[in-house]
Amino acid sequence: NAGVTQTPKFRILKIGQSMTLQCAQDMNHNYMYWYRQDPGMGLKLIYYSVGAGITDKGEVPNGYNVSRSTTEDFPLRLELAAPSQTSVYFCASSYLGQGQPQHFGDGTRLSIL
Amino acid sequence: GQNIDQPTEMTATEGAIVQINCTYQTSGFNGLFWYQQHAGEAPTFLSYNVLDGLEEKGRFSSFLSRSKGYSYLLLKELQMKDSASYLCAVEDSNYQLIWGAGTKLIIKP
Repeated sequence: NAGVTQTPKFRILKIGQSMTLQCAQDMNHNYMYWYRQDPGMGLKLIYYSVGAGITDKGEVPNGYNVSRSTTEDFPLRLELAAPSQTSVYFCASSYLGQGQPQHFGDGTRLSIL
Repeated sequence: GQNIDQPTEMTATEGAIVQINCTYQTSGFNGLFWYQQHAGEAPTFLSYNVLDGLEEKGRFSSFLSRSKGYSYLLLKELQMKDSASYLCAVEDSNYQLIWGAGTKLIIKP
């Protein structure tokens, strides 16, 4: 059972570079999410999607972009990497509705130097 | 505003019982989740409460009081593998999760 798969697991970027974090789920979940987690902090929602073709901003969207062309995939794009974007990024997915638990990928550890 | 408070760190002894508290003030409430996160790993779902009272699931139980904006996670018969961070999250009226910063639980032999 693959669940939620994130790639890459680790990445070091230089300031100003761009990259895409990949996320795929095989549970046919409607909802998908991108979070960042900084040391000692809670998860902060970057973007989320309620289905293919529909995305919306979360709490901390600046500097990021997303797309959702299929139910399975939800990539996160960093256009101009900045040191403040050094973090651990988690992708998650869930079914629609109250009380549906989110299932997380293993995370991408990103450093911007 | 939205606010979720948990203790930053707690220490307990193997075999003992520990209670991790979570208080919240949010603009909407559709339920409260507890997740476990081992160091360097992803959060994993533990429990969900929407009604007042205690939900028991093996060695772990979770309690909710909506009128007090309060929840706790109770871990019994602690094992070394329970050393992890425990995250409290409130589901708001848009079904989004608002996360606490987490409580790091250290288990000593």
